[in-house]
Amino acid sequence: NAGVTQTPKFQVLKTGQSMTLQCAQDMNHEYMSWYRQDPGMGLRLIHYSVGAGITDQGEVPNGYNVSRSTTEDFPLRLLSAAPSQTSVYFCASRRRATQYFGPGTRLTVL
Amino acid sequence: KNEVEQSPQNLTAQEGEFITINCSYSVGISALHWLQQHPGGGIVSLFMLSSGKKKHGRLIATINIQEKHSSLHITASHPRDSAVYICAGSGGGADGLTFGKGTHLIIQP
Repeated sequence: NAGVTQTPKFQVLKTGQSMTLQCAQDMNHEYMSWYRQDPGMGLRLIHYSVGAGITDQGEVPNGYNVSRSTTEDFPLRLLSAAPSQTSVYFCASRRRATQYFGPGTRLTVL
Repeated sequence: KNEVEQSPQNLTAQEGEFITINCSYSVGISALHWLQQHPGGGIVSLFMLSSGKKKHGRLIATINIQEKHSSLHITASHPRDSAVYICAGSGGGADGLTFGKGTHLIIQP
């Protein structure tokens, strides 16, 4: 099993550009989530999904969109990137009580 | 809103020392997770506790539900234990975890 994979590992965007961060898991987990990690702050939940076709907002959803068309994939879309979205983004899936995290995507918005 | 507070923020110790990291959490949290993040950035789940105590190798996690407090202990600490340790609370619902800010642990040889 590859576990949770994320692409790209690094990305630099200009303000106003859009992009999609990819996340996939091969463990058949229903629950998936996106977090952002900023210096001096704990990870914060952006969006989550409890199964294909079902998504909901987390603590900091503004400026991000998600969809869940399959159990495996949970992409995160930045609609119009802003410098405030510079962060490290983690995707995670969960089975029962254990969370499995992807390796992260480091995003810089200039 | 669920809240999780960790202490200390930074901890430097000598190899072999007994390490304790503390976590306090708010009323809405019913389970407490301990995670480890190494300098490369990867995050690994260590424990999930809703009561009592769990042990894995040199790591021990305890939780006191009445006091809403959890601790992570490391016995016979080693430089490879150097990492950021994060506690996170879950409320039993479908939403994600609420994270503490992490404890940056350095074990010196």
